[in-house]
Amino acid sequence: QVQLVQSGAEVKKPGSSVKVSCRASGGTFNSYSISWVRQAPGQGLEWVGDIIPLLGAANYAKSLQGRIRIFADGSTNTAYMELSSLRFEDTAVYYCAKVGAGPASAFDIWGQGTMVTVSS
Amino acid sequence: DIQMTQSPSSLSGSVGDSVTITCRASQRIGFYLNWYQQKPGKAPELLIYGTSNLQTGVPSRFSGSGSGSDFTLNITSLHPEDFATYYCQQSYSAPRTFGPGTKLEIK
Repeated sequence: QVQLVQSGAEVKKPGSSVKVSCRASGGTFNSYSISWVRQAPGQGLEWVGDIIPLLGAANYAKSLQGRIRIFADGSTNTAYMELSSLRFEDTAVYYCAKVGAGPASAFDIWGQGTMVTVSS
Repeated sequence: DIQMTQSPSSLSGSVGDSVTITCRASQRIGFYLNWYQQKPGKAPELLIYGTSNLQTGVPSRFSGSGSGSDFTLNITSLHPEDFATYYCQQSYSAPRTFGPGTKLEIK
């Protein structure tokens, strides 16, 4: 059974960058996609991007294009989400999620979440 | 992008009640509709994928139906642990957008 373990909470200043990691254990890392979803305090879920580790190909939400980079290291079974030029409105819990096999492509396993706080 | 709406935004129920949450997509999405449950301070969990398929381990009191652009999540005989927020998500096309959520509270 795949488990996703994320890095710890971060506090960052506006304009800086943050890198959140998501380490997978169990399963074959390169056999599935990893998505990233964020949730601002008291708000709903927002998909921010995904990656197919086997291909290294990433897709990003239009709202974050140019500021976000998602990449993966197959040797450590770890995916990363890096967000630059941080703004107050980037304050959120960032989740990684495994995309399940099959046509439904549902997010069947989630990491525990990483709180990113942007504060001056 | 496909927009997802949910109704109601919140509802209350008692243990043993049955409730229905609806989700509508801004365009037809076939059966590519998933439901998640989220409890406060926790990551979402997949309940139903592909409109009506129960994720392993999810109790049979949860069921999903629908097609095209209109979908429903039904919960029969509410248990105390079912009070949470529920999100629908379309996986028909990128970006895989979520609905705004429905908060189910204890009456």
